[in-house]
Amino acid sequence: QQPVQSPQAVILREGEDAVINCSSSKALYSVHWYRQKHGEAPVFLMILLKGGEQKGHEKISASFNEKKQQSSLYLTASQLSYSGTYFCGTYYGQNFVFGPGTRLSVLP
Amino acid sequence: EPEVTQTPSHQVTQMGQEVILRCVPISNHLYFYWYRQILGQKVEFLVSFYNNEISEKSEIFDDQFSVERPDGSNFTLKIRSTKLEDSAMYFCATRGAYEQYFGPGTRLTVT
Repeated sequence: QQPVQSPQAVILREGEDAVINCSSSKALYSVHWYRQKHGEAPVFLMILLKGGEQKGHEKISASFNEKKQQSSLYLTASQLSYSGTYFCGTYYGQNFVFGPGTRLSVLP
Repeated sequence: EPEVTQTPSHQVTQMGQEVILRCVPISNHLYFYWYRQILGQKVEFLVSFYNNEISEKSEIFDDQFSVERPDGSNFTLKIRSTKLEDSAMYFCATRGAYEQYFGPGTRLTVT
């Protein structure tokens, strides 16, 4: 059991926007977003909690539809530094499961 | 800013050998995790640890794996008899209020 992400990969030009989606067939109580650059550890971006609370970085926004068990991460006015693989994740019990990832490439 | 550290950064071992991967968590964090990432694949949960006990483990975390807090600060992952398919990056993470902080990882190469 794992979250599903779409798209698998995105290629953008600097300044363009992107949306990355995450969904689960099991009930979601929270959705976490991480970014991993090549050869580095994942870095926390944002958490969305049931009830609408969000905690994360100012320049990144996300939504969480509890009924549809979906979350979307919005990257606006992308910069070269946004390149990396974006993972959503959630707890199933104490087991934290990442989605398969969305590879984002921002070109100059 | 406090950070999670891991040692060694790279470990090469022969099949069948035991390896111990070490992690120093952020001091006031109570939840610890080990993850594995095979090259080019997603990050996979291995085990979570709370209050000096395993709280959950995945199917990957079989009898060859064990975790300990040997001295109350370090957090170790031991693989008793390594296999070729254990070659991967191993990340330790600790949890604050919500988010997990990942260490830089140990690259394990089994030959």
